[in-house]
Amino acid sequence: GEDVEQSLFLSVREGDSSVINCTYTDSSSTYLYWYKQEPGAGLQLLTYIFSNMDMKQDQRLTVLLNKKDKHLSLRIADTQTGDSAIYFCAEKLLGSQGNLIFGKGTKLSVKP
Amino acid sequence: GAVVSQHPSRVICKSGTSVKIECRSLDFQATTMFWYRQFPKQSLMLMATSNEGSKATYEQGVEKDKFLINHASLTLSTLTVTSAHPEDSSFYICSAQTPPMEFFGPGTRLTVL
Repeated sequence: GEDVEQSLFLSVREGDSSVINCTYTDSSSTYLYWYKQEPGAGLQLLTYIFSNMDMKQDQRLTVLLNKKDKHLSLRIADTQTGDSAIYFCAEKLLGSQGNLIFGKGTKLSVKP
Repeated sequence: GAVVSQHPSRVICKSGTSVKIECRSLDFQATTMFWYRQFPKQSLMLMATSNEGSKATYEQGVEKDKFLINHASLTLSTLTVTSAHPEDSSFYICSAQTPPMEFFGPGTRLTVL
C-alpha cells in the first residue's frame, strides 16, 4: 500500500545543516515533494523532484533521491531560526487521480 | 510560486449552521483542486478531489452530503460544511494543481460551538 514515513522531530543549531529524511513504499511514485508548514498556515511548496532524478539543488535546499531504497532527503544548508517549521514529504503516484500522499511531517527546531 | 487563496481564514459558527469556504487560484487556472482536513499535530487527510465542471470525487469515509463541493470555474472551488457539528471543527486546506506542482491555500480554521 501507499505509505510515507518521516521522523517526527529534528533539532539543530543555527548555522548548521539540517537533513530531513523520508521513506516511501510505492515504487510507482512519479514526483516527490517537500512542503513547509508554519504554525496556523497552509503548506508552502519548497521543491520537488522527478522520480528519475537523483539530486536537485535550489539555493540552500538540496534534495537527494535514492529510488532503489525509496529514500528521499531534504538538506537545508546554513539553517536559520526562520526555518523552524514542520516539513512534509509527499509523493504523487502514477495512475492516481493526482492527489499527493503525505508523510506525518518532521518538526524542525532551530536553536540560536 | 503560484498563489492560492482561501476565505475565510477563520470562522466560528453555531452547531447546525452551514459554512462555505472558498478556494481560488489567483494567477493560474486549475482543472483540479483538492480539499484536505488537518487535525492538530497531524498530517493532511484528503477529503475530496474537485474537477472543474464535474462532480467531486470523495475519499472513503467522507460524507458527500455533508461536505458539498462545487468547482464552478477553473479558478474557484467551494466547500460547504452543512449542518456543522463540533466534531467538524478542524483546519481545512485546499490546493490547486498545475502539474506537476500543487499549491496550497493558507487554510481555514473552522470552530463549531
